Amino acid sequence: DIVMTQSPDSLAVSLGERATINCKSSQSVLDSSNNKNSLAWYQQKAGQPPQLLIYWASTRESGVPDRFSGSGSGTDFTLTISSLQAEDVAVYYCQQYYTTPFTFGPGTKVDIK
Amino acid sequence: EVKMVESGGGLVKPGGSLRLSCAASGFTFSSVWMTWVRQAPGKGLEWVGRIKREIDGGTTDYAAPVKGRFTISRDDSKNTLYLQMSSLKSEDTAVYYCATGMGPGFEIWGQGTMVIVSS
Repeated sequence: DIVMTQSPDSLAVSLGERATINCKSSQSVLDSSNNKNSLAWYQQKAGQPPQLLIYWASTRESGVPDRFSGSGSGTDFTLTISSLQAEDVAVYYCQQYYTTPFTFGPGTKVDIK
Repeated sequence: EVKMVESGGGLVKPGGSLRLSCAASGFTFSSVWMTWVRQAPGKGLEWVGRIKREIDGGTTDYAAPVKGRFTISRDDSKNTLYLQMSSLKSEDTAVYYCATGMGPGFEIWGQGTMVIVSS
């Protein structure tokens, strides 16, 4: 199985400041058939199901604010919130969908400083 | 409106069985692969398993902790996904979500149904 790790476990950022979350996979999730990384990011607010933010490592889902961006390739990925808003307080998960089981990272909790 | 509603959760004794359902509406259910994801209280997300479309064979894949105990099935005529759980353990206690997407990633989620395995 591909093991996903995230860092940090949690972070507190001031409103309007940048938040950066890292995700690492135990093996490459680069799909050679389309040269895309099979990596998604989700946001989960308290008491709600997860919401898809990013897929193919850097493609923003429709309706997701452009302050959210994804980058990276191979085994190392980053989710960046360019200017943190109050409504961004949540836990963020990365997930690989390269091969089953489609494993999730342990999550990173983002709070306001 | 695109919607998925899980049901069937509840309290069950260790070793018992339970069947969850996920009723979908607002999209062409038969055209998507369906997935179950669970979340233990206060913990992260865990992929449980998925079922492909019938046109792709309708085959299933499972996570190791549930393989041999859980069975995913679908009834496209009823737009419903199922998760049959047996030989339940305390560590199966979680909120169970059904999820799907038209492309990569899961952009459609249900609200979840709680399963508690306890004596």
